[in-house]
Amino acid sequence: NAGVTQTPKFRILKIGQSMTLQCTQDMNHNYMYWYRQDPGMGLKLIYYSVGAGITDKGEVPNGYNVSRSTTEDFPLRLELAAPSQTSVYFCASSLLYEQYFGPGTRLTVT
Amino acid sequence: ILNVEQSPQSLHVQEGDSTNFTCSFPSSNFYALHWYRWETAKSPEALFVMTLNGDEKKKGRISATLNTKEGYSYLYIKGSQPEDSATYLCAFQGGSQGNLIFGKGTKLSVKP
Repeated sequence: NAGVTQTPKFRILKIGQSMTLQCTQDMNHNYMYWYRQDPGMGLKLIYYSVGAGITDKGEVPNGYNVSRSTTEDFPLRLELAAPSQTSVYFCASSLLYEQYFGPGTRLTVT
Repeated sequence: ILNVEQSPQSLHVQEGDSTNFTCSFPSSNFYALHWYRWETAKSPEALFVMTLNGDEKKKGRISATLNTKEGYSYLYIKGSQPEDSATYLCAFQGGSQGNLIFGKGTKLSVKP
């Protein structure tokens, strides 16, 4: 099993550009999550999904969109990138309790 | 607003020292308490998931206790080694479908 994979690993965006962060898991987990991690702060939940076709907002959803068309994939979309979205983004999945994290995407918006 | 507090924020110990840190969380609507280990440039890895008051979990030199009535959990590391250097995160889960609320972590540095 590859576990949770994320692409790209790094990305620099200009203000106003859009991009999609990809997340895929091969563990057949129903639950998937997107977090962002800023210096000195804990992981903040952006969006989550309890299964294909179902998504919901987390703590900090503004400026982001998600979709969950399959169990495996949970892409995160930034439509109009802003400097405040400079962060490290982690995708995670879980079956019950334990969440498995991907390697992260470091995004810089300038 | 649910708050999860971890202390201390950072800790520097010598190799061989034993250490412990604290996670405080809401005592109401408790479902589970998670501990993660997060090495620099890697992703968080689960250490323990604790669900019952009085739970004690152990993995090698690392152990954790849980008090849901007063809303705290302790993580202990016995005989710290340089490879234990990492940030240790705790996360509160309220309800079976509740999302995890993470603390800011305790950053442990172990000097050889």
